[in-house]
Amino acid sequence: DTGVSQDPRHKITKRGQNVTFRCDPISEHNRLYWYRQTLGQGPEFLTYFQNEAQLEKSRLLSDRFSAERPKGSFSTLEIQRTEQGDSAMYLCASSLGFWTGVPEQFFGPGTRLTVL
Amino acid sequence: QKEVEQNSGPLSVPEGAIASLNCTYSDRGSQSFFWYRQYSGKSPELIMSIYSNGDKEDGRFTAQLNKASQYVSLLIRDSQPSDSATYLCAVNLRDSNYQLIWGAGTKLIIKP
Repeated sequence: DTGVSQDPRHKITKRGQNVTFRCDPISEHNRLYWYRQTLGQGPEFLTYFQNEAQLEKSRLLSDRFSAERPKGSFSTLEIQRTEQGDSAMYLCASSLGFWTGVPEQFFGPGTRLTVL
Repeated sequence: QKEVEQNSGPLSVPEGAIASLNCTYSDRGSQSFFWYRQYSGKSPELIMSIYSNGDKEDGRFTAQLNKASQYVSLLIRDSQPSDSATYLCAVNLRDSNYQLIWGAGTKLIIKP
């Protein structure tokens, strides 16, 4: 199966520590998205890459969050100085790039972060 | 404020019946609409996409879009216990070719 993969699947950390998550998109997909989801809510958009360019970052996102996609393939999401409010499921999705319309996004299994 | 509204449920449907899930959206400029299924503790899984007014069928699933009334629905025929999940509706933000606005989901329970 060549779907979206994420690593790790679960992460428990202490408040104040830094964490990094990895996402490997579907190989032919040039778009990559990061979302955060808490219980009872839909996914919340964090950031978006087209190839290696980060084209959008949510204004709601703290400066403690940073994402990279250095070669237009895999991506990393880093959270510095974690807080208990960062506890959530972090989801990565990928899609093809359409010149018009919004393409279907396919999600990875997610990384469950727990900040103690 | 761009919004996507869904009834949180739970919606309880007998096995074998038709489950009807509804979603309304506020942005008249939205052009792309998606339904995702999410099992507890898992990530969203794409079920259907719909871009034009009318019905789109895929197996037991039918998506219906009415842009004039700003709603999109998902029908599940011959409901199975394995269809029990939360169903998320997502709509693109106007003038964006990537950003989606998500509803909070409807929890569906199929009773054997």
